[in-house]
Amino acid sequence: QVQLVQSGGEVKKPGASVKVHCKASGYTFTDYGISWVRQAPGRGLEWMGWISAFTGDTNYAQKFQGRVTMTTDTSTNSAYMEVRSLISDDTAVYFCARAPLVSGSSPSAYWGQGTLVTVTS
Amino acid sequence: DVLMTQSPDSLAVSLGERATIHCKSSQSVFYNSNNKNYLAWYQQKAGQPPKLLIYWASTRESGVPDRFSGSGSGTDFTLTISSLQAEDVAVYYCQQYYTGPPTFGGGTKVEIK
Repeated sequence: QVQLVQSGGEVKKPGASVKVHCKASGYTFTDYGISWVRQAPGRGLEWMGWISAFTGDTNYAQKFQGRVTMTTDTSTNSAYMEVRSLISDDTAVYFCARAPLVSGSSPSAYWGQGTLVTVTS
Repeated sequence: DVLMTQSPDSLAVSLGERATIHCKSSQSVFYNSNNKNYLAWYQQKAGQPPKLLIYWASTRESGVPDRFSGSGSGTDFTLTISSLQAEDVAVYYCQQYYTGPPTFGGGTKVEIK
């Protein structure tokens, strides 16, 4: 069965970086992409971007351009998302979700369990 | 970006009664070429990731109970839970995937009256 398992929670200081890991199993990793969505405490869902696991092509939401990098490692069926220059507003649960190969603009039926990133001094 | 507006913010419904959630997009999410509305609905329970319920505005995802139904076209959409069950307590989100970054509504919290 399709599974996306994410790395554990992180506590970071403002200005630091965080890298969240999403490990996929149960399907051919390079047949799909990975989208990343975040949710601040008590708030709604915010799409951050998408990466193709086959080509490595990315599409970032404009808000995150230049501060977020999404990568994949096909040898381990893993996706990573790094956020730099963290601020308190980046405190959120970060989700990975399986996406189509050619676009992140599609509903996601498979999600990771979420990774809580807390930014605090 | 396409703005998605949900109403109400929350609602309380008796067990077995109907729950209706509305979602309005700032522009049409209907694509004439394939006659499809690029609109999805998700259910999110506390501490869990979102669960896809409906896509193409009215197509139920595999395994989703048929008490959940989606309707609407263009800019106005509705998610209906025909007979609310205790396990349906959750926050529900609409999402457009028609253009630009996919965007979500603000969510509607459904509780038991």
